Amino acid sequence: DAGVTQSPTHLIKTRGQQVTLRCSPKSGHDTVSWYQQALGQGPQFIFQYYEEEERQRGNFPDRFSGHQFPNYSSELNVNALLLGDSALYLCASTPNVAGGPGETQYFGPGTRLLVL
Amino acid sequence: AQKVTQAQTEISVVEKEDVTLDCVYETRDTTYYLFWYKQPPSGELVFLIRRNSFDEQNEISGRYSWNFQKSTSSFNFTITASQVVDSAVYFCALSVRRRALTFGSGTRLQVQP
Repeated sequence: DAGVTQSPTHLIKTRGQQVTLRCSPKSGHDTVSWYQQALGQGPQFIFQYYEEEERQRGNFPDRFSGHQFPNYSSELNVNALLLGDSALYLCASTPNVAGGPGETQYFGPGTRLLVL
Repeated sequence: AQKVTQAQTEISVVEKEDVTLDCVYETRDTTYYLFWYKQPPSGELVFLIRRNSFDEQNEISGRYSWNFQKSTSSFNFTITASQVVDSAVYFCALSVRRRALTFGSGTRLQVQP
């Protein structure tokens, strides 16, 4: 049973560019959450998708947007990249429990983004 | 708003020593979940345990044990007889209503052989 997968594993961009990161949840999971982890810090919540809708959003600017597809996979888009966007971007999926998101989030290996 | 504090930035122990990682949380919700995750150098967060706010029973899993005390808003994690493979960054996290995880800043554990 495959876990949460993310692509690409590493990415280098320059300031002002746009980037798209992808995530496939574990089988049977239908909720996807995205987190940003700067070096030496704990992950910070970006947003969560459930049933193709944004269910909750953290304190991130509109440059950060997302999408969830009918197969539950998800994309994170970041526009107008800043140096401060350099971080590890983590995707997590949650199993469906009694018709809604469960409690535990299972994480993928992350995408390391470097903005020069 | 939720908050998680891990006051220990870094701990270094020698193999076979016991070590406790502290976690203190803040929330106004009466129903919440607490978690511990392990992050090895590869970067992937590995789920270790989940506890809900109504279950204060301590839990033991092999060399790992967790002590949840609502009276002090703490959810501490103890590794008994530590091993080099335990070296990682450990995060405590909190969620309410099955939504975002709020993480602490993490504790880096180094186990020396």
